[in-house]
Amino acid sequence: SAVISQKPSRDICQRGTSLTIQCQVDSQVTMMFWYRQQPGQSLTLIATANQGSEATYESGFVIDKFPISRPNLTFSTLTVSNMSPEDSSIYLCSSLHTVSGREQFFGPGTRLTVL
Amino acid sequence: GQNIDQPTEMTATEGAIVQINCTYQTSGFNGLFWYQQHAGEAPTFLSYNVLDGLEEKGRFSSFLSRSKGYSYLLLKELQMKDSASYLCAVYGSGNTGKLIFGQGTTLQVKP
Repeated sequence: SAVISQKPSRDICQRGTSLTIQCQVDSQVTMMFWYRQQPGQSLTLIATANQGSEATYESGFVIDKFPISRPNLTFSTLTVSNMSPEDSSIYLCSSLHTVSGREQFFGPGTRLTVL
Repeated sequence: GQNIDQPTEMTATEGAIVQINCTYQTSGFNGLFWYQQHAGEAPTFLSYNVLDGLEEKGRFSSFLSRSKGYSYLLLKELQMKDSASYLCAVYGSGNTGKLIFGQGTTLQVKP
């Protein structure tokens, strides 16, 4: 299985500020994703982080609010911009591995609270 | 549209067997995942089914019927540590790798 780390693990932020979350995978992967999990809810895909090109966003998520970088095959960042209390959530990085079958793993998540 | 249904909550007894069902309606299908998620932790990969039939991994088994849009996760010899949420997730059309998640089933194992 893959090992995925995220930084920070949690943060408390003020309204109107921005936070950048880092995700590191221990092996090169083609596909990386960012998900959000709001309290008591399941996971919702924010975007696919594409290496060397702009991220692909899902309906309801835009680049100005959630800019994403993916400079190489093992690393990605997600920024939550101009935060509001509605952005309080857990943000999870995920990677898809297809070497033996198909497995998709998740990082430990970043628990964000916006005051 | 895309729709994945799971029961919200289930309760079972330690040592017993429990089956968690998942039905899906998606535009295209390229496989189904089951994840386990303990409170405050990230989802942990349990299984992936792309062909019809049963996949067994120790105490956990997962079944898929593509014609019926149906899957289940079977947990045997339940242990207290199996108390968690179980998430069903589907790959839709294309090879995008995007997962569509159900709302999850919270399983409580009682002694």
